[in-house]
Amino acid sequence: NAGVTQTPKFRILKIGQSMTLQCTQDMNHNYMYWYRQDPGMGLKLIYYSVGAGITDKGEVPNGYNVSRSTTEDFPLRLELAAPSQTSVYFCASSSGTFNQPQHFGDGTRLSIL
Amino acid sequence: RKEVEQDPGPFNVPEGATVAFNCTYSNSASQSFFWYRQDCRKEPKLLMSVYSSGNEDGRFTAQLNRASQYISLLIRDSKLSDSATYLCVVLTGANNLFFGTGTRLTVIP
Repeated sequence: NAGVTQTPKFRILKIGQSMTLQCTQDMNHNYMYWYRQDPGMGLKLIYYSVGAGITDKGEVPNGYNVSRSTTEDFPLRLELAAPSQTSVYFCASSSGTFNQPQHFGDGTRLSIL
Repeated sequence: RKEVEQDPGPFNVPEGATVAFNCTYSNSASQSFFWYRQDCRKEPKLLMSVYSSGNEDGRFTAQLNRASQYISLLIRDSKLSDSATYLCVVLTGANNLFFGTGTRLTVIP
């Protein structure tokens, strides 16, 4: 059982470039989340989705976009990369609401130079 | 004031020791609490939920003190494999989930 799979694991971008971080889960979870984790900081929620076709902003959504066309996939899009978006990005899923255990992917380490 | 605050540590303890971490939260309406474990350069993994009456899972005991707005994690008989960062997580309302910055534990042989 793969769980939550994120790609790529590492990426270096130039300022102004765009990219999509991929996330897929095979647990048939309705809820999916994107977080970023900066050194010395707690995870911050960027966007979340409660089901296919439904997305909502988290604590730090600026500079990002998401879509949820299927239950399995929840890609995160950076349109104009900025150095402040250098971070480790984690995708997670849960079977129900926010108070259910969240299953995390391995993370994507992104550097914007 | 931060929603969730933890002592970053590091806590360096010998094998077999008992160690406790606290985590304070600012919103008295918070209703769900968790401890996650994160190994270096890895993803967080749920260690345990924290119930109002306190709960235990093997060597790990979690407690909630609503009056003082903190949760605690006690680890007994520490193992080398317990070395990790422990994240306190607090849910307020339906979808306001806040992660602490983590407390780093190193268990020394």
